[in-house]
Amino acid sequence: SQTIHQWPATLVQPVGSPLSLECTVEGTSNPNLYWYRQAAGRGLQLLFYSVGIGQISSEVPQNLSASRPQDRQFILSSKKLLLSDSGFYLCARDRGETEAFFGQGTRLTVV
Amino acid sequence: SQQGEEDPQALSIQEGENATMNCSYKTSINNLQWYRQNSGRGLVHLILIRSNEREKHSGRLRVTLDTSKKSSSLLITASRAADTASYFCATGLITQGGSEKLVFGKGTKLTVNP
Repeated sequence: SQTIHQWPATLVQPVGSPLSLECTVEGTSNPNLYWYRQAAGRGLQLLFYSVGIGQISSEVPQNLSASRPQDRQFILSSKKLLLSDSGFYLCARDRGETEAFFGQGTRLTVV
Repeated sequence: SQQGEEDPQALSIQEGENATMNCSYKTSINNLQWYRQNSGRGLVHLILIRSNEREKHSGRLRVTLDTSKKSSSLLITASRAADTASYFCATGLITQGGSEKLVFGKGTKLTVNP
């Protein structure tokens, strides 16, 4: 099955605290993996994508980082959260030129 | 930066009517995809059209692609209240490294009134 596990579903964190969101995928090897952020009522902003273990491309300069320690694991991190990091974070996978499958998302509120 | 731009940003119609959403993009593409998102949930793939295709159908969905105008449209026929959602187009962009990344537009929020 093309399953993406993304957790937690919701998260409330204080400003300045660290962040770690994890995404794991099933059903395929060597997928392309993505982290997107969606502000309320807005489109998806591509944050990071990865074509393989240890290969991370960053789309926008920001307070976040990503890592891919295993083929099917993609982690989004921050050392110190900002209020502007609040949003809906979505992990996705595809195999290139095919449809993408999304996780159910994590709603992060930084207070 | 965003690649695709959908219009309208919001669309409200009555059940049974057709809904048309448009997407424009900036660079050459390998394919264009349409996704649906229910409020607060992940995106679900609807349909993919390749750059050498002009039209594709899937149930009540019809997608067209005009690469000369760098635009695509999604038509939902005989709409239902359950079609209420946000719809996004996405394009596969080839990176400098030769891989492909998926970039989304800002979406159209469709409301189908019963």
